[in-house]
Amino acid sequence: SYDLIQPPSLSVSPGQTASITCSGDGLGAKYVSWYQQRPGQSPLLVIFQDTNRPSGIPERFSGSSSGTTATLTISGTQAVDEADYYCQAWDSGTGVFGGGTKVTVL
Amino acid sequence: EVQLVESGGHSVQPGGSLRLSCGASGFTFDDYGMHWVRQPPGKGLEWVSGIGWNSGLTGYADSVRGRFTISRDNARNSLHLQMNSLRPEDTALYYCVKSRGASMIGESGLDYWGQGTLVTVS
Repeated sequence: SYDLIQPPSLSVSPGQTASITCSGDGLGAKYVSWYQQRPGQSPLLVIFQDTNRPSGIPERFSGSSSGTTATLTISGTQAVDEADYYCQAWDSGTGVFGGGTKVTVL
Repeated sequence: EVQLVESGGHSVQPGGSLRLSCGASGFTFDDYGMHWVRQPPGKGLEWVSGIGWNSGLTGYADSVRGRFTISRDNARNSLHLQMNSLRPEDTALYYCVKSRGASMIGESGLDYWGQGTLVTVS
């Protein structure tokens, strides 16, 4: 089975940049999406097809992908960005999520 | 406004069956692929199954293939998941999710999620 690996947790100070990585074999050749999940809420799509932001997602969220790693970057992190973040890709017709990264803003 | 409302979650014994449903509104249902994604209590997300806009293509996670069946009724704007031979590890909150594209493979992202329906197997 295909695995996507994320760091379990990440701490960032308000106003600083948070970079969340997602690694998988040949990931650069697949489209990656990123989802934010705040406590008690349903997930929210923040990046699709590696680099694209849906309407309504703040510009401080950006995505990139190269080789075996995709990265979600939150620039000027705010307290409201504290959440779990999941990467997701498709392999052989099935969806795969990373294990999630808990971002703490302190 | 896009709305996805799941129903059918319940407590069931191992080996039992459940049928989950999702009512969709606020968009042209038969233009988009649809998916089920689950989340065990306190754990991460797991893609379960997907279906293309016209039911021509379906897909399943290895963990549920052969036990779960996804279907849709475009006339009624509804999505279903028939779950058989349930196991304790199927215990989770099950989300109904809309794809940004028409294909079963949601490479363009999953853009709307319901609130979920809880399935407990014990």
